[in-house]
Amino acid sequence: GQQLNQSPQSMFIQEGEDVSMNCTSSSIFNTWLWYKQDPGEGPVLLIALYKAGELTSNGRLTAQFGITRKDSFLNISASIPSDVGIYFCAGRSSVGGSEKLVFGKGTKLTVNP
Amino acid sequence: DVKVTQSSRYLVKRTGEKVFLECVQDMDHENMFWYRQDPGLGLRLIYFSYDVKMKEKGDIPEGYSVSREKKERFSLILESASTNQTSMYLCASSWLVGRGPEKLFFGSGTQLSVL
Repeated sequence: GQQLNQSPQSMFIQEGEDVSMNCTSSSIFNTWLWYKQDPGEGPVLLIALYKAGELTSNGRLTAQFGITRKDSFLNISASIPSDVGIYFCAGRSSVGGSEKLVFGKGTKLTVNP
Repeated sequence: DVKVTQSSRYLVKRTGEKVFLECVQDMDHENMFWYRQDPGLGLRLIYFSYDVKMKEKGDIPEGYSVSREKKERFSLILESASTNQTSMYLCASSWLVGRGPEKLFFGSGTQLSVL
């Protein structure tokens, strides 16, 4: 089946640093979603991307829909302690006449004050 | 705001017990989903439903069943709980856009421990 490769698996950074993570696939997607999951909570949608090349920001977060439609990137600028959590990408694609969402395995972010 | 409510945050059950996990959404979403989340394995889809009384197997349906008698409610059932079903269970819902789900909205999760 379709798979998303999300990297890195984990990151340990100092407060104030910028963060980059990405998802890649061998399949084409028509939507990319980025979620954040706080410890002990469910994932919350951060950014949704619908067009190849699209660049969208949400505060200090910026995400891009790759031109090839096979990848997406999430950047966090000037990280703060509350950025700690697991970040998931998800891609939506057509499979066998229906639409399906596939999730990456997540990037666990730790921010040291 | 979309609200997806899971009935329990924490559950402790014994091996062999029948377990019900309940989920309710308030946005009239067509689609509802049950995932389990385990460290290093990400989110794995157990079952989903795109309409009342309709259900589809996800990637790991073995040992689980579901029920959707009303549009707003989707239940996950563990017929005979086993220790390997200890996990975080996440319910989600979404609108039907085109031929499938669009953005998923998640509940807060139920951490199930089977002893």
